[in-house]
Amino acid sequence: EDKVVQSPLSLVVHEGDTVTLNCSYEVTNFRSLLWYKQEKKAPTFLFMLTSSGIEKKSGRLSSILDKKELFSILNITATQTGDSAVYLCATSHSGSARQLTFGSGTQLTVLP
Amino acid sequence: DADVTQTPRNRITKTGKRIMLECSQTKGHDRMYWYRQDPGLGLRLIYYSFDVKDINKGEISDGYSVSRQAQAKFSLSLESAIPNQTALYFCATSETGTSYEQYFGPGTRLTVT
Repeated sequence: EDKVVQSPLSLVVHEGDTVTLNCSYEVTNFRSLLWYKQEKKAPTFLFMLTSSGIEKKSGRLSSILDKKELFSILNITATQTGDSAVYLCATSHSGSARQLTFGSGTQLTVLP
Repeated sequence: DADVTQTPRNRITKTGKRIMLECSQTKGHDRMYWYRQDPGLGLRLIYYSFDVKDINKGEISDGYSVSRQAQAKFSLSLESAIPNQTALYFCATSETGTSYEQYFGPGTRLTVT
């Protein structure tokens, strides 16, 4: 059975802190790993990672994938209150189905 | 205007009632999905469709059915709602091709009493 596990389940930090969110996976026919941000509504896409060791960056957010150790991390530097959200990790699988398997998410709360 | 819309946004219904959740998209995508989200369980796939004639069961299809009325419309039905179907339901779309990115609607919060 495919599994995507995120840690920690929740995290409370203060503005300006740096956080690292973790996602490990055990899936068959792995194709790519995706990160989404969910702020009390629809998840919005952040990154898709397909290759190991290549960092994706968007402003203060960055992510990297390790296909040998089967995990990814999402880093957020200089956190702001607007970063408060649930961060979801999902894996996609080769083949026509294009299904995503989601982890349960990390709830990040950034205090002023 | 939103690319993926869902109606209703909130619904309270009683056990045993039939209910339909609707999803429409203007992205022109062929692929559409229905997920439910429960606290601590993430998003789980109910059904997905590659085009109007292609419907597939996902991880948790029991108790649900779907209809793809057109490329832009994908409906989810609960034939006889039960309390453990209380959840947040999301519709999503993706394009045919190499991208695995899915675009989500705003969600429908369903409560079955």
